[in-house]
Amino acid sequence: KQEVTQIPAALSVPEGENLVLNCSFTDSAIYNLQWFRQDPGKGLTSLLLIQSSQREQTSGRLNASLDKSSGRSTLYIAASQPGDSATYLCAVRHGQAGTALIFGKGTTLSVSS
Amino acid sequence: DVKVTQSSRYLVKRTGEKVFLECVQDMDHENMFWYRQDPGLGLRLIYFSYDVKMKEKGDIPEGYSVSREKKERFSLILESASTNQTSMYLCASRTRLSGNTIYFGEGSWLTVV
Repeated sequence: KQEVTQIPAALSVPEGENLVLNCSFTDSAIYNLQWFRQDPGKGLTSLLLIQSSQREQTSGRLNASLDKSSGRSTLYIAASQPGDSATYLCAVRHGQAGTALIFGKGTTLSVSS
Repeated sequence: DVKVTQSSRYLVKRTGEKVFLECVQDMDHENMFWYRQDPGLGLRLIYFSYDVKMKEKGDIPEGYSVSREKKERFSLILESASTNQTSMYLCASRTRLSGNTIYFGEGSWLTVV
């Protein structure tokens, strides 16, 4: 059974620092991997989606990489800002026909000014 | 813009009551999902639906049922609410036409007393 792990569970950094969030999964036969942001008490906002055939995706200050063979993905945040403070979750999907996502438990990021 | 709407943000129900959580998406997505999110347990899939009138059990379907009579609406039903169903419930939808990105609603906080 697929398991998704995110380490660390929490991270505190000063503003301006570059940082990396980690996600690992046990079964490399994934269809895609998606990173989300969740603010307290709110739903999830999709940040980046990487298809299994891709190595990375970029959006603004965010860059997500995928290494299927090792079962790892990283989310790189450049020049962090207090507004980046949130919980970041990764999720993997198997198969194309309607199967659901399996989520990690998230990394809670706090960026201090 | 993509929109997944959960009609009730906060509900308080009594043990044994029948509870309906409604979710509507305006994007003609085929797939819809219900998750619950609990501290320390992350997001867990309750049910999902490939398309109208189709449903599949997720990881924790016990005590829940769903209804998908129209493509835009996916309802989660708690047949007889119990205190261990106190949680944040998240609805989501997806279509392969949007690159398989999954979109979430804002969540429904349910407290069962």
